[in-house]
Order: sequence, then structure tokens, then C-alpha cells
Amino acid sequence: GQNIDQPTEMTATEGAIVQINCTYQTSGFNGLFWYQQHAGEAPTFLSYNVLDGLEEKGRFSSFLSRSKGYSYLLLKELQMKDSASYLCAVMDSNYQLIWGAGTKLIIKP
Amino acid sequence: ETGVTQTPRHLVMGMTNKKSLKCEQHLGHNAMYWYKQSAKKPLELMFVYSLEERVENNSVPSRFSPECPNSSHLFLHLHTLQPEDSALYLCASSQEGGGSYNEQFFGPGTRLTVL
Repeated sequence: GQNIDQPTEMTATEGAIVQINCTYQTSGFNGLFWYQQHAGEAPTFLSYNVLDGLEEKGRFSSFLSRSKGYSYLLLKELQMKDSASYLCAVMDSNYQLIWGAGTKLIIKP
Repeated sequence: ETGVTQTPRHLVMGMTNKKSLKCEQHLGHNAMYWYKQSAKKPLELMFVYSLEERVENNSVPSRFSPECPNSSHLFLHLHTLQPEDSALYLCASSQEGGGSYNEQFFGPGTRLTVL
């Protein structure tokens, strides 16, 4: 079967760095997405990786290793507004998104 | 209006009621999706419409009935639901083809409670 694993919850301190991991086993691979979802709001797109390596976008970076079936989202200089759930999703060979259950990130002052 | 809108934002219904959820996208996309989001579970894809044709059903119970009258509008008709159907129902749209990676844009969701 197809499976996406990510931690259920993480806690970090304002101003610090946090890394949220995602491992996947899917039928084919056409890219990996990270979305942010604040409580009661719509998921919003953060990043897309289809080749190995690091993609940097401001305070957020996303890394992919296709051989290891592994990605991480790195958040730097954490702010209170970064408290949210972070969803990892992989596009399989049928171009269907397979979603993880999300990681709830709690930022403490 | 911009992006993807959904109405109503909150809905409480009894098991014998009939109601409909509405989604509208203002992005000119050619694909629309219904997802179910339950607490601490992955997003569950329910239905996909591409160019107004349904392309994915994912074995959703028949008490959920989708309708896509045009590329901008998507409905989810609900009847004789069960309490376990209580969840956040998210609508999304994307532009398929053209070499893009088909990023999906989500609406704010309808929080459904079945009593």
C-alpha cells in the first residue's frame, strides 16, 4: 500500500529552527508537496520538490532524497504565526496526491 | 471573490436531512476535488472532476453525491449521513496539464456535524 509518515506533533521555541520529517512509500513518484494549515483554515502551498536536493524559499526550506523516500521541511527563525499543521503529500504515478496525517507544530515563546 | 470559496462554513444536520455543500473557484482551473479531513487522519480524496468529467470516486458511500455543472462550480449533495461523517470537507482546484506540477488550491472548508 501507499504510506506517508510524519510526526504527529512537535514543539519548538520562538526564534529557533525546526525540522519536520516525512518518509513515503508510494506507487511511483511525481513530486512531493508541503502545505501549511492553520487551525480552521485552508491548507496553503509551501513547496514542491521533484529532484533531489534542497529548495530554499525565505525562512522555509524543503529537502528531498528520492532514493531514501525522505523529505524534510526546515523552518528557521520561528515565529508564533508558524504554529500550524504541516502536511506532506506525494504525487504518485497516477498523478494522485497521497497525504500524510500532518504534523502539528507548537511554537512557545 | 478570489481563490476558492466554500459555503456554508459550518453545517449541523440530522441523519435524515438533505443538504448540499457548494464550492466555487475563481482561478480558471480545469480540475476540482472534494476531500474529507478528520482529526489526526490524512486527507481523504473523495471525488475528482477534470474538465467537468468525474475521474475518481475512491469508493465513497452513495450518501455523498457530487455534481460539477461547469469548471468553476462543484457541489457535494448529502443525504442520510451518519455521525462518523462529521468532519471538515475541503474543496480544491488545480490546473492539470501544461507541464505544471498541478499545485492544488484549497477552500476554507465546511465543518460538518451530523447529529
